[in-house]
Amino acid sequence: DSGVTQTPKHLITATGQRVTLRCSPRSGDLSVYWYQQSLDQGLQFLIQYYNGEERAKGNILERFSAQQFPDLHSELNLSSLELGDSALYFCASSVATATEAFFGQGTRLTVV
Amino acid sequence: DAKTTQPNSMESNEEEPVHLPCNHSTISGTDYIHWYRQLPSQGPEYVIHGLTSNVNNRMASLAIAEDRKSSTLILHRATLRDAAVYYCILRDSEGGTSYGKLTFGQGTILTVHP
Repeated sequence: DSGVTQTPKHLITATGQRVTLRCSPRSGDLSVYWYQQSLDQGLQFLIQYYNGEERAKGNILERFSAQQFPDLHSELNLSSLELGDSALYFCASSVATATEAFFGQGTRLTVV
Repeated sequence: DAKTTQPNSMESNEEEPVHLPCNHSTISGTDYIHWYRQLPSQGPEYVIHGLTSNVNNRMASLAIAEDRKSSTLILHRATLRDAAVYYCILRDSEGGTSYGKLTFGQGTILTVHP
């Protein structure tokens, strides 16, 4: 158990819908990272938050947004979903930029 | 982001040592070398990291070349549970524009034979 909790584990939704994925980082970790893993793309960095502030952005679509709340949990919002958004979404947390990161078990999103 | 180069795949026999290489010729002075692995249907798992000196932990050893342009992850006795994709990643310790994000490449698929 990495200590990073992601909910839900599985999500099936229709095209055009909006979903919210939730991540609770390890206790004390200020940084939260979101990644997308699809079969043909590998692990793609989406966005990073540090203590509530956005710090780095990767290949995140405009239809996607995220935030980190004062209690340090984070949510990734995906809207106007397309079939191609079907993927595993992972959240990771770390204490600082140089230390190890711990990943959750992921949310498997299926868009039908 | 500084890039790493790893072989696409490697094979090993159970209970034998495995040496997984990684080249990172453009590494900067503030980059830590991180290794993660991902088992099927699971999130990536931290294995080990280091800066300049060789590192050991309960999972593996990390050997870093003197010029830091390459490193080797050593699994001392491979087990079937070590079959996974292994990622070698450079992580900027000072943040900069990357703020410590982990940029994953394709990694090395390790197959362990009984």
